[in-house]
Amino acid sequence: QVQLQQSGPGLVKPSQTLSLTCAISGDSVSSNSATWNWIRQSPSRGLEWLGRTYYRSKWYNDYVVSVKSRITINPDTSKNQLSLQLNSVTPEDTAVYYCARVAGGGVNWFDPWGQGILVTVSS
Amino acid sequence: DIVMTQSPDSLAVSLGERATINCKSSQSVLYSSNNKNYLAWYQQKPGQPPKVLIYWASTRESGVPDRFSGSGSETDFTLTISSLQAEDVAVYYCQQYYSTPYTFGQGTKLEIK
Repeated sequence: QVQLQQSGPGLVKPSQTLSLTCAISGDSVSSNSATWNWIRQSPSRGLEWLGRTYYRSKWYNDYVVSVKSRITINPDTSKNQLSLQLNSVTPEDTAVYYCARVAGGGVNWFDPWGQGILVTVSS
Repeated sequence: DIVMTQSPDSLAVSLGERATINCKSSQSVLYSSNNKNYLAWYQQKPGQPPKVLIYWASTRESGVPDRFSGSGSETDFTLTISSLQAEDVAVYYCQQYYSTPYTFGQGTKLEIK
């Protein structure tokens, strides 16, 4: 059974960097079929897919255009986890952040999800 | 980007009655090579992440009660709960996985009348 456990601070100051981690158990971040995604949810923006990382003989990333200049998603193969960094945050980045897997191999939806972390951007 | 629009935004249904939620995509999510609609439905309860109910527009996830069903094709989809139970109170989302950026509907809040 795949489980995703998220960690990171719940409060970030404006202009600083939001950093979250998603630890994976029951699968590998280096899987040749899965993709590893970050999604956020806020009352104003709803559910918003932010981007993904995946390994297909080499590492790839895709990001949504709205945050592309500020976001980095990195795998950490030594710890079997992935990270999210979002730079230059503003109060509009306040949201619950989730990591989620797309298993691949014909399973193309998000399952499972991490538990979510509410990140508030405020001074 | 594919825009997903759900209707209604909220819905109140009596216990045991049928609940119907609609989802419209701004372009077709039917992949012609395999004739599959790249659409999923999720249920989200307070304080929890979304949970997949339906994928490929009409395939029920293992363990999901058979009162939940999905239908539709190309751009118009429906989630139906045939006989509403108290535990079905939640927000429901559709999501397309046809192309990135993956996008979600705005959600439909389902309550008991």
